Order: sequence, then C-alpha cells, then structure tokens
Amino acid sequence: DGGITQSPKYLFRKEGQNVTLSCEQNLNHDAMYWYRQDPGQGLRLIYYSQIVNDFQKGDIAEGYSVSREKKESFPLTVTSAQKNPTAFYLCASMSLQGTQYFGPGTRLLVL
Amino acid sequence: QKEVEQDPGPLSVPEGAIVSLNCTYSNSAFQYFMWYRQYSRKGPELLMYTYSSGNKEDGRFTAQVDKSSKYISLFIRDSQPSDSATYLCAMKENDYKLSFGAGTTVTVRA
Repeated sequence: DGGITQSPKYLFRKEGQNVTLSCEQNLNHDAMYWYRQDPGQGLRLIYYSQIVNDFQKGDIAEGYSVSREKKESFPLTVTSAQKNPTAFYLCASMSLQGTQYFGPGTRLLVL
Repeated sequence: QKEVEQDPGPLSVPEGAIVSLNCTYSNSAFQYFMWYRQYSRKGPELLMYTYSSGNKEDGRFTAQVDKSSKYISLFIRDSQPSDSATYLCAMKENDYKLSFGAGTTVTVRA
C-alpha cells in the first residue's frame, strides 16, 4: 500500500526537551510538508521540502527544524525554543499533479 | 484579512439533506482548488480537485469554482451520518504551497 506514515501517534514533551516527529512516504513524491493544526484553525505551514537536501521555512518555522536526507523521509524536530508546542502535526507530500496527501498525524502534548 | 475565509460552522443537517459549504479568497492568482475531509483526530483526505472555474461532480459530491467572484463551493447530496466531519478548502497558485481555510464542522443527524 502506498501512503504516508507518521510516528508516534501521541508524543509527550517535557519542558526544555527537543522531540522529533517521524514522517515516511512511499509514494515517490519529491515534495514534502509539515503543518501544524490547532483547534478551530486551519493548517499552518511549518516547513516544506521540494527535493532532497533542500527545504524552506513556512509561515511558522520558529522553534522547529527539519532535515531531508532521503526522498522518503522528512522528520520534524520541535525544539525547546517552541514555547507553545501543543498541537496536531500533519505531514504531507505532493504529487506531480499538484495534489497533497496527508499522513494520520501526531498529537504533541506538553507534560 | 485572511487569504482564505471559511465559515467554521458548526453545520447540522438531517440525513438525506444537501450540505452546502463554501470558501472565499482574496488572491486572484489561485488556479487550483481542493476540498479535503477530516475526521476527528485523523489526517485530511482529498475529496475533490479542480482547476480554474466550473463544476466537477464525483458521486454525491459537486465542487464549484467561480474565479470571477473568488468563491468556491462543495455540495454533498443525500448526506449520510458518515459524512459528519470537518471539511477544509485549499487552493494554490502554480507552485508548491497550499493555502487552507479554517474548516467547517458538519454533523449529519440520523
């Protein structure tokens, strides 16, 4: 089955801790994205990558970092600099036709 | 002003009714328009994808785009309780970035 997987489903962060969210896709898509979703708000773009070893900041990149060492993988690190990290995090990839497909999401909670 | 405006609802309809959802936008360069369905605590799934103005039908779903008015709509005919979800509109220029509406929460009552 082709698709996008995210892990873990739930993640708990202690104050001052960095945590990493995993995103893997087997759709052979070049472009990948990270979004943050808060209750009652739309999806806000954190980072995106159009190709391996290259990525760009989105609208709310502060306190986050990413890497793109492989086409299939686009992990997101939530650093201690992100003071309000509690949210639902969604990873997506884009086909050549321009449609985005989403993973199941990771819910990050602060202890 | 947000680039994409979407009434958050909530919208509650009886089973079998027509659900009407819409978004307005300000960027006249948007060319591609999408509707996603998102169940609670799940990732969004693509429902409809349209290019430029016009109508597109897929089963019980119809998407309309009116670029002159900067207005898009999604209609769901013969609504079912399984259609209860949040519906997100999204749109983009000819590039890599999508702009999303805030989502409309729909409940279909059995």
